[in-house]
Amino acid sequence: DVKVTQSSRYLVKRTGEKVFLECVQDMDHENMFWYRQDPGLGLRLIYFSYDVKMKEKGDIPEGYSVSREKKERFSLILESASTNQTSMYLCASIIGQGAEGYTFGSGTRLTVV
Amino acid sequence: AQSVAQPEDQVNVAEGNPLTVKCTYSVSGNPYLFWYVQYPNRGLQFLLKYITGDNLVKGSYGFEAEFNKSQTSFHLKKPSALVSDSALYFCAVRDAGNNRKLIWGLGTSLAVNP
Repeated sequence: DVKVTQSSRYLVKRTGEKVFLECVQDMDHENMFWYRQDPGLGLRLIYFSYDVKMKEKGDIPEGYSVSREKKERFSLILESASTNQTSMYLCASIIGQGAEGYTFGSGTRLTVV
Repeated sequence: AQSVAQPEDQVNVAEGNPLTVKCTYSVSGNPYLFWYVQYPNRGLQFLLKYITGDNLVKGSYGFEAEFNKSQTSFHLKKPSALVSDSALYFCAVRDAGNNRKLIWGLGTSLAVNP
């Protein structure tokens, strides 16, 4: 089974801190995604990556950046955390053109105080 | 514009009764459709998908979904609900303009009452 691992389940950070959320997948998937999930808003795409060192903005990239230095790892960076970034963050990966659907990590619930 | 609609925010059903979670979609071309389930404080888990072929698709945990092209629907069903089926369910369709991306519904919370 493909595993997508997010390094933290729960995280509490202070306003203004730089926050790193890490995601690692173990099945050589080319494509990786970062979503945030908020009640009533569903899943919103922040950034995605098709290959090492490449990235594309999703629907809500403001306040975020990403890094993909190795194929298996896709990091989400909150440059200066704000309280409106308190959310559940979900990482996902797929192989090829997406016919097999996404595999998700368990999520990181981030609270910014 | 491409979209997925889950018209019910919440569905309540008694244990042992059949359940249906509704999904309609709007996308150009032939749709690739997916259902995912999310248990509290967890990531999403794949349930089933429709790409082509038989309109009735069977998936994990006894769930199935029926693809209806004329009604552009992909409703999730289970003949006999369990309390453990209580969770958040998401429908998604593959983006016709970018095959790697999914377009998501807002989710339906299913509560199965004992």
